Amino acid sequence: AQKITQTQPGMFVQEKEAVTLDCTYDTSDPSYGLFWYKQPSSGEMIFLIYQGSYDQQNATEGRYSLNFQKARKSANLVISASQLGDSAMYFCAMRERLGGGATNKLIFGTGTLLAVQP
Amino acid sequence: DVKVTQSSRYLVKRTGEKVFLECVQDMDHENMFWYRQDPGLGLRLIYFSYDVKMKEKGDIPEGYSVSREKKERFSLILESASTNQTSMYLCASSSRLAASTDTQYFGPGTRLTVL
Repeated sequence: AQKITQTQPGMFVQEKEAVTLDCTYDTSDPSYGLFWYKQPSSGEMIFLIYQGSYDQQNATEGRYSLNFQKARKSANLVISASQLGDSAMYFCAMRERLGGGATNKLIFGTGTLLAVQP
Repeated sequence: DVKVTQSSRYLVKRTGEKVFLECVQDMDHENMFWYRQDPGLGLRLIYFSYDVKMKEKGDIPEGYSVSREKKERFSLILESASTNQTSMYLCASSSRLAASTDTQYFGPGTRLTVL
């Protein structure tokens, strides 16, 4: 069965510093996708970044980058130059293909709560 | 921009009541999803739909049903609410045309309390 693991329940980082949020995954499917979402205290899940299993380069979106290490089955999120507004819960997710090909679903980790300190 | 809206941000209901949670998306997405989120458990899929009138059970469908009469609207129904259904409910949608990524876009969530 596919599984996503986030081992850091909570983290602190100083404003303007970089931070890495860990995510490991387990799948036997050679084709998969990995996502990171941000959930501020308001509750909405905000899509941040996507990495496909066949992508040669690590995904980047502004201050977010995904450190994809396929052999280790890890997909860590790196946030550079942290800002106070980055304080939120962060979820790693993996796409799981469903039978019949009608659609896919996402499997989520339990999340990491990031607190950015001034 | 993709916009997914949910009918209520906060809802308080009594045990045994029938509860409707509504979700609307404006991007013509084929796929829609209902999740519940509980501390320490992440998001768990309740039901999803890949087309009008089509529905599929997710990982925790017990105690819930869904309805998708129109493409843009996906409703989650608690036939007889119980206290263990107190949770945050999140709706999401995605485009089948973007099957290579299947990025799901979420609504703001409904925090349901059942007393």
